[in-house]
Amino acid sequence: TQLLEQSPQFLSIQEGENLTVYCNSSSVFSSLQWYRQEPGEGPVLLVTVVTGGEVKKLKRLTFQFGDARKDSSLHITAAQPGDTGLYLCAYFGSNTGNQFYFGTGTSLTVIP
Amino acid sequence: NAGVTQTPKFQVLKTGQSMTLQCAQDMNHEYMSWYRQDPGMGLRLIHYSVGAGITDQGEVPNGYNVSRSTTEDFPLRLLSAAPSQTSVYFCASSYKATRSSQETQYFGPGTRLLVL
Repeated sequence: TQLLEQSPQFLSIQEGENLTVYCNSSSVFSSLQWYRQEPGEGPVLLVTVVTGGEVKKLKRLTFQFGDARKDSSLHITAAQPGDTGLYLCAYFGSNTGNQFYFGTGTSLTVIP
Repeated sequence: NAGVTQTPKFQVLKTGQSMTLQCAQDMNHEYMSWYRQDPGMGLRLIHYSVGAGITDQGEVPNGYNVSRSTTEDFPLRLLSAAPSQTSVYFCASSYKATRSSQETQYFGPGTRLLVL
């Protein structure tokens, strides 16, 4: 079940630049989660957004849940090489077995 | 706490061979699951367990078996490996068997499997 579309698929930027990645769907979600997966490691939960229009900040990372709860964005300010990784969004399917379903991810490379 | 541990880190199999991927957690989590991650496909759920003795199928269960004899361990068995099972496998756990959209899943470091 691939209800989540993430864009861009790949992103390569210079250290210090800003970027935004997107997680879009035509479905309404009760919440969305964002994970970061570093090379050779498992995903790590960054944040869960639950209210339409909600904005959460985690240091230089800003997460927003769309007003209609169909989409979410992750904005990184002044990217650093340590931000390199795969960013995944996921939704919880309460109508489909109470499981989490993941998007295909955005692979970010920050060049020093 | 070690969190979620997986062994082995890497494995190469020939078609038709069997193997068991090990997963253990020391957080006393009720819920454990196995995902596979393939390029362009994201993470897909294979099997899951809500407690010792209870397992169920996820999105892509064919070719895999699981068992949960203890709270801590949740091994994944490939009975007859196929090239289509070449993937990276992640084990995950979370605190409660009663799922919530706001729960935190903890992932292991993964097992990279190549089936020739």
